Amino acid sequence: GENVEQHPSTLSVQEGDSAVIKCTYSDSASNYFPWYKQELGKRPQLIIDIRSNVGEKKDQRIAVTLNKTAKHFSLHITETQPEDSAVYFCAASMRTNFGNEKLTFGTGTRLTIIP
Amino acid sequence: DTEVTQTPKHLVMGMTNKKSLKCEQHMGHRAMYWYKQKAKKPPELMFVYSYEKLSINESVPSRFSPECPNSSLLNLHLHALQPEDSALYLCASSQVLAGGYDEQYFGPGTRLTVT
Repeated sequence: GENVEQHPSTLSVQEGDSAVIKCTYSDSASNYFPWYKQELGKRPQLIIDIRSNVGEKKDQRIAVTLNKTAKHFSLHITETQPEDSAVYFCAASMRTNFGNEKLTFGTGTRLTIIP
Repeated sequence: DTEVTQTPKHLVMGMTNKKSLKCEQHMGHRAMYWYKQKAKKPPELMFVYSYEKLSINESVPSRFSPECPNSSLLNLHLHALQPEDSALYLCASSQVLAGGYDEQYFGPGTRLTVT
């Protein structure tokens, strides 16, 4: 099955600086890579995603890059703000024979923004 | 309505009890999912229903029994649970798009404590 590794497990950055989280996946059949943000006691919420036919995607302060050959993808947050503090999960998704998506999550990164 | 709802928010049950968790969505999604999330860990897939049929069971013990009465509802019946089953149980739903890349929308979860 799919295996997703995520690094680092914890990350502290000064407010205004950039944060980078990296993930690798094992199964070349994975074709969709969402990133979820989960605040304490809350549900995971999608913040950005990228499809396997795209190398980079940006949404305001958040960007994701994908290298299919190397099987790794990264999340970049610029101009970090205190409200960016949360746990971030990467995930790799593949379509099953039943037509639904099977998500495999990375182990998570606890991001702390220091004011 | 772009929300997945779950009831109850919190549940405390003894090891001999029978209880049920409920999940509902009115987004017309045809795939619904149960995940288990332990503290400081990523969500782990338990079951997937696609068009009201069970398509994936990730080798979950039989003390967890899923049910999908219709396309909007998903239940998880619990019986004879163990203390190690205490966790946050998340429900999610997604469309089943022909091209794939289906975003999963998560509910707020049920915090389950088994005593």
